[in-house]
Amino acid sequence: GAGVSQSPRYKVAKRGQDVALRCDPISGHVSLFWYQQALGQGPEFLTYFQNEAQLDKSGLPSDRFFAERPEGSVSTLKIQRTQQEDSAVYLCASTRVGGELFFGEGSRLTVL
Amino acid sequence: QKEVEQNSGPLSVPEGAIASLNCTYSDRGSQSFFWYRQYSGKSPELIMFIYSNGDKEDGRFTAQLNKASQYVSLLIRDSQPSDSATYLCAVKEGNFGNEKLTFGTGTRLTIIP
Repeated sequence: GAGVSQSPRYKVAKRGQDVALRCDPISGHVSLFWYQQALGQGPEFLTYFQNEAQLDKSGLPSDRFFAERPEGSVSTLKIQRTQQEDSAVYLCASTRVGGELFFGEGSRLTVL
Repeated sequence: QKEVEQNSGPLSVPEGAIASLNCTYSDRGSQSFFWYRQYSGKSPELIMFIYSNGDKEDGRFTAQLNKASQYVSLLIRDSQPSDSATYLCAVKEGNFGNEKLTFGTGTRLTIIP
């Protein structure tokens, strides 16, 4: 596709439910990032892939958060047993190595 | 903890004036610096990047970098209402292959017609 595609755009979950957020990066982009953006804040780094290898997951806030990119293209961010503090926009971005970071439109998660 | 600090604003500037946005960073090893614009409800988009000390100009935008002071700024000349947005400063470490960006909290800019 022409840009980074994320789905769903909006997700409402009850506290305790599991959610999965999908990111389809720009074709040929080696690097993929997940960021969490709370209301009124800047994006906070969660995790980073280069191809299928997860090179940095230092930003994942707890073991309830898990990300994968099994074939080096599409990535899924999974949040287990969602909590209210998980409510945020989850941004995916992709880039060629050393290139500009392109963001998707984000997945807005609301946990009730 | 590597930090990027910005004044959250809001910053109000009359149309046609110069808007000045500032950012400081804590990691002296940082090598690359970026300014992103984010409209409400939209994703960040890259405006400018700068690697070397001094000024870099692109149209109405000028990025300024002072590594000794760990300071980077963005000037917007002839401000337009369409420039009203949140401006995010982002910093990349110097490690080869480490593509991670650390963002500030953003400065909300309002251009007053």
